Amino acid sequence: EIVMTQSPATLSVSPGERATLSCRASQSVGSNLAWYQQRPGQAPRLLIYGASTRATGVPARFSGSGSGTEFTLTISSLQSEDFAVYYCQQYNYRPPYSFGQGTKLDIK
Amino acid sequence: QVTLKESGPVLVKPTETLTLTCTVSGFSLNNARMGVSWIRQPPGKALEWLAHIFSNDETGYNTSLLDRLTISQDPSKSQVVLTMTNLDPVDTATYYCARIPSGYFVGSYYYYYYYMDVWGKGTTVTVSS
Repeated sequence: EIVMTQSPATLSVSPGERATLSCRASQSVGSNLAWYQQRPGQAPRLLIYGASTRATGVPARFSGSGSGTEFTLTISSLQSEDFAVYYCQQYNYRPPYSFGQGTKLDIK
Repeated sequence: QVTLKESGPVLVKPTETLTLTCTVSGFSLNNARMGVSWIRQPPGKALEWLAHIFSNDETGYNTSLLDRLTISQDPSKSQVVLTMTNLDPVDTATYYCARIPSGYFVGSYYYYYYYMDVWGKGTTVTVSS
């Protein structure tokens, strides 16, 4: 089973600043990596798939990069609605399609 | 508009079997190569992928729960059903169903996607005597 590790667990950033979230896979997943945003009390929402492709309707301030075992989600200028928990998920070939433990993005 | 809605019991006793239903609209379960996944989230914890099923009835399961899970579908009712046997209090969670989008061809070979692009709101299940 592929283990996904996200860092940091909590990230405190001021509105308007840049946030960088990391996700590491225990073995290569190619570009088969998705990012989800989960606001309190809501279901997750797809942000990025294929490591770097934004989902429909996702603002351009969200960008994903990486391949293999190291991935990054960058939010270029934080808006109030971006403070949430972010999860990465690998979906490389065979199940289980594991999630990371999440990064909570807090207002500084 | 694509929507998914989960339904099932709110409270289940330990050792009982849980049956959850996902009713979809805005797309067909007969749609070539689309699928539906089930994911759960214990209170205050991370997401855990459970199982998926595709329009061709291909299924996949979380290996840690393989002997307890069964996923099936009834396209005529636009429903996907997940059953989980031998419930335990650690199975207390919000259970989500979500759509898997169609994949893509490279030459004559078809590649499935396994991420989820549209999620239901979730249904909360508590396991307690």
